[in-house]
Amino acid sequence: ILNVEQSPQSLHVQEGDSTNFTCSFPSSNFYALHWYRWETAKSPEALFVMTLNGDEKKKGRISATLNTKEGYSYLYIKGSQPEDSATYLCALNNAGNMLTFGGGTRLMVKP
Amino acid sequence: SAVISQKPSRDICQRGTSLTIQCQVDSQVTMMFWYRQQPGQSLTLIATANQGSEATYESGFVIDKFPISRPNLTFSTLTVSNMSPEDSSIYLCSAFGGTGELFFGEGSRLTVL
Repeated sequence: ILNVEQSPQSLHVQEGDSTNFTCSFPSSNFYALHWYRWETAKSPEALFVMTLNGDEKKKGRISATLNTKEGYSYLYIKGSQPEDSATYLCALNNAGNMLTFGGGTRLMVKP
Repeated sequence: SAVISQKPSRDICQRGTSLTIQCQVDSQVTMMFWYRQQPGQSLTLIATANQGSEATYESGFVIDKFPISRPNLTFSTLTVSNMSPEDSSIYLCSAFGGTGELFFGEGSRLTVL
């Protein structure tokens, strides 16, 4: 059983604050690391699929970095907005077709 | 991208009954995946559904409890059988898109009394 861990479990920030959270995973047999955003009553939505050590990807105010050698990825949100409130999930793909999800970080942005 | 429709979106069921969740994809996909999220837990893969063959179940999940059908390349069902309160979860179906990410349905929130 793979151990994919996310921290913190939950986070409250004020509108305009920048924030980041961590996903750690076993570095052996790495294939890809996924980030998803899951808003209440909606489908989880893919943010990034990262495959290369040192990868850095950006989508608007959200960016992510990847270190496959030490087994971690960071997700950054710059200037948080209330609409960023969601659960952020990372998932490890180490066998081609199967994803193992972390427990998620629940972000709440106060206006 | 893929658009995945799931129903029901939520249901409240009595202990001992069964519920079938339907999942429709707007394009043909080889594999569909069924996940569960119990309260306070991470998304856990129940099984992978391939068209024309039996589903592949993950450790801790069995066909008698979670029978799956996959009659064609755009549709699948998951049945939660003989439900107990421990089956109260969000159930999600998903499939891979063209660029390697998973697309999900909106989930079926099940409460078992």
